[in-house]
Amino acid sequence: GAVVSQHPSWVICKSGTSVKIECRSLDFQATTMFWYRQFPKQSLMLMATSNEGSKATYEQGVEKDKFLINHASLTLSTLTVTSAHPEDSSFYICSARDSQGRFSYEQYFGPGTRLTVT
Amino acid sequence: AQSVTQLDSHVSVSEGTPVLLRCNYSSSYSPSLFWYVQHPNKGLQLLLKYTSAATLVKGINGFEAEFKKSETSFHLTKPSAHMSDAAEYFCVVRFTSGTYKYIFGTGTRLKVLA
Repeated sequence: GAVVSQHPSWVICKSGTSVKIECRSLDFQATTMFWYRQFPKQSLMLMATSNEGSKATYEQGVEKDKFLINHASLTLSTLTVTSAHPEDSSFYICSARDSQGRFSYEQYFGPGTRLTVT
Repeated sequence: AQSVTQLDSHVSVSEGTPVLLRCNYSSSYSPSLFWYVQHPNKGLQLLLKYTSAATLVKGINGFEAEFKKSETSFHLTKPSAHMSDAAEYFCVVRFTSGTYKYIFGTGTRLKVLA
């Protein structure tokens, strides 16, 4: 079946540093990927829509200069949290939409990346 | 604009009794609706989806949901709760055009009592 991976699964970084999270669709192509953030005991909030070969579309209130998104290939999108601060600590989840129809054009979620900023 | 409302933030049931998790949606078009489950510190797992075919949708682990257009509802049910069902459940609506992005409900935490 359709599989989406994320790397790393968890990361701890120091305040002020940058962290990159990868999202890969392993067995299908995805021209569109999505990035979500989930705070403890809360729902998933869409941060941005990542489009292969073009700029990401950010949701209202999400700082595009802080959360850099690169969708350089049909199977890989990256989210870089720049100058991370403790309030950026969260569970980041990506999803990828099957663009070929191999898996019914549906969206599939990665397992998430837990970021802790100290 | 599309949106979903999960009417209960917490639901407690005894093991072996029925489960009902409520979801109402708002959509200008015929929506695509999903239920996902998330166990503690885990990713999301798709339980079932409605995409304008049969209004009664059967999913994994004995769950099902019925799409009721007149009530704009998509409630999730299970005849008999199991301890392993304890988790967070999210009702999701998908935009029907453009980016096809998902909008998540606020979630319902299901507790199963022994």
